[in-house]
Amino acid sequence: LAKTTQPISMDSYEGQEVNITCSHNNIATNDYITWYQQFPSQGPRFIIQGYKTKVTNEVASLFIPADRKSSTLSLPRVSLSDTAVYYCLVGEGYGGSQGNLIFGKGTKLSVKP
Amino acid sequence: DVKVTQSSRYLVKRTGEKVFLECVQDMDHENMFWYRQDPGLGLRLIYFSYDVKMKEKGDIPEGYSVSREKKERFSLILESASTNQTSMYLCASSTFIGQRSYEQYFGPGTRLTVT
Repeated sequence: LAKTTQPISMDSYEGQEVNITCSHNNIATNDYITWYQQFPSQGPRFIIQGYKTKVTNEVASLFIPADRKSSTLSLPRVSLSDTAVYYCLVGEGYGGSQGNLIFGKGTKLSVKP
Repeated sequence: DVKVTQSSRYLVKRTGEKVFLECVQDMDHENMFWYRQDPGLGLRLIYFSYDVKMKEKGDIPEGYSVSREKKERFSLILESASTNQTSMYLCASSTFIGQRSYEQYFGPGTRLTVT
């Protein structure tokens, strides 16, 4: 089972780019890397998912090096509303009884004015 | 919009009681999940189900059971609640793309207190 390690917390200021790195040394061949965002009193919300290299959507970018032992979530020009906990998730598909999803402990991002 | 609903936002039960947490999704998703979330521990997977009447243990299944009689509904059962099961419980659902489970949609959570 792939375990993940993330920084417990990060601070940033509005307008800055924020990069949150997740380590997953035991990632398996079939595992994908997914990031979620969670606000207080809400369930997590999907941000982005990737397998290798770089993925970009309207919210964030995900950078995955060739060895896939880590990944970096990049949030461009953060605002106060990006203050949340960000989770890195590594797991494989559920074709039958494959695998368990492993959430990291999350990174609490605080964006200051 | 995908909607995942949970039967209660807050629940208080006594030690030894049988507790049912219900989750319903309206997107015809194959996969459903139950997590618990505790401070400093993040989200931990209790059970998941990839089809009706099918279930798989997650990281921490001890003390819990699940039931999925219909595709849209996934129930978490605490046979005899204990104080260490006081937690936030989150339900999620997802579908397959190809052979891979994709984005999970989470419900708002049930905060269970066992006294």
